[in-house]
Amino acid sequence: AQTVTQSQPEMSVQEAETVTLSCTYDTSESNYYLFWYKQPPSRQMILVIRQEAYKQQNATENRFSVNFQKAAKSFSLKISDSQLGDTAMYFCAFINPPGIQGAQKLVFGQGTRLTINP
Amino acid sequence: DTAVSQTPKYLVTQMGNDKSIKCEQNLGHDTMYWYKQDSKKFLKIMFSYNNKELIINETVPNRFSPKSPDKAHLNLHINSLELGDSAVYFCASSQDRVDEDTEAFFGQGTRLTVV
Repeated sequence: AQTVTQSQPEMSVQEAETVTLSCTYDTSESNYYLFWYKQPPSRQMILVIRQEAYKQQNATENRFSVNFQKAAKSFSLKISDSQLGDTAMYFCAFINPPGIQGAQKLVFGQGTRLTINP
Repeated sequence: DTAVSQTPKYLVTQMGNDKSIKCEQNLGHDTMYWYKQDSKKFLKIMFSYNNKELIINETVPNRFSPKSPDKAHLNLHINSLELGDSAVYFCASSQDRVDEDTEAFFGQGTRLTVV
């Protein structure tokens, strides 16, 4: 079964600093997608960034980038020049294709509560 | 247009009541999910449907019964509500493949409070 682990329940940094959120996962699949979702106090789930397992190049979206280490099954999120609006819960997630390992399933880590201080 | 919409946004009810949460997606996705987010913010999958067929049932009590009348709808009915059912329930959908467009879209969540 696929599992996703976020080992940092809470993090706090000053505005404009860079912060890295950790995520590890476990799967026997070779093709899959990894995501980081943001959940602000409004509780809406917002996609931050995604990475396909077959792509070696790390995904980037403006101030957000990932460090994808497939062999280590690690998928960390780096937020550069952090802003007050980045304060939120961040969830790492994994989705597998449907197939012989079972149905397509979107699995989340436990979440990291990130606070950006002024 | 809202991609995934679920209603109601808030639901307060007494123990023992039966309630339903509705979910609709206009993305043409094949797969829909229900998640429960507890007070510690952990998102636990409850059910997954693919083209109206139940695919995943994560040992959820029988009091929870999903219904998918068509591919675009996945409703959640809860019988005999208990205090421990209080949580935020999220509906989500995704396409039934893994490619560059893969993404799960979420509804705005339903905060259920059982008193």
